[in-house]
Amino acid sequence: ETGVTQSPTHLIKTRGQQVTLRCSSQSGHNTVSWYQQALGQGPQFIFQYYREEENGRGNFPPRFSGLQFPNYSSELNVNALELDDSALYLCAIHATGRAFFGQGTRLTVV
Amino acid sequence: AQTVTQSQPEMSVQEAETVTLSCTYDTSESNYYLFWYKQPPSRQMILVIRQEAYKQQNATENRFSVNFQKAAKSFSLKISDSQLGDTAMYFCAFILNYGGSQGNLIFGKGTKLSVKP
Repeated sequence: ETGVTQSPTHLIKTRGQQVTLRCSSQSGHNTVSWYQQALGQGPQFIFQYYREEENGRGNFPPRFSGLQFPNYSSELNVNALELDDSALYLCAIHATGRAFFGQGTRLTVV
Repeated sequence: AQTVTQSQPEMSVQEAETVTLSCTYDTSESNYYLFWYKQPPSRQMILVIRQEAYKQQNATENRFSVNFQKAAKSFSLKISDSQLGDTAMYFCAFILNYGGSQGNLIFGKGTKLSVKP
């Protein structure tokens, strides 16, 4: 499997603050997607990047934004945090016909 | 709309027994991949098995196999010789294939599987 690393693993933030989550892989695959997984639910698609451009977005407000860098690592930024943003955030690296996940970042908003 | 339905929120099985997890999906597209992912309490989403929609032959990976019925849009997972380490949440998902590039994964709500000694 492709090694996918997310950082940090856990994070506590206060309502109204901003947060940046990071994702990188050893493989250099050019497509990355981000998901939000609330407790007891399946992951929900936030957005996807292909060669540094956003090429798909789920039903999330604009305060969820992202970046993909030339080395294909990626960031998820969330502004004006709300209590409902508390969740596990997963990134996935896409290879042909497969998607490999990092271990996730557990975000708690208080 | 593209959806995945897992009708069994929770299931349990005795160690060494066989269990089948159900999944149905809906898409109007014909070119896609189907997956089963396992998410243990450590929360790492682990790929268990994948199926290419254009292949009729059901995929197998050691103790894991699928029953893929494309016309019925059904994709069940069979776990044989269940082991305690199989205890986890299992998610069914699919991804559209655009001839070289892919869309995003669409997940079901998951089935919590408990393997009992």
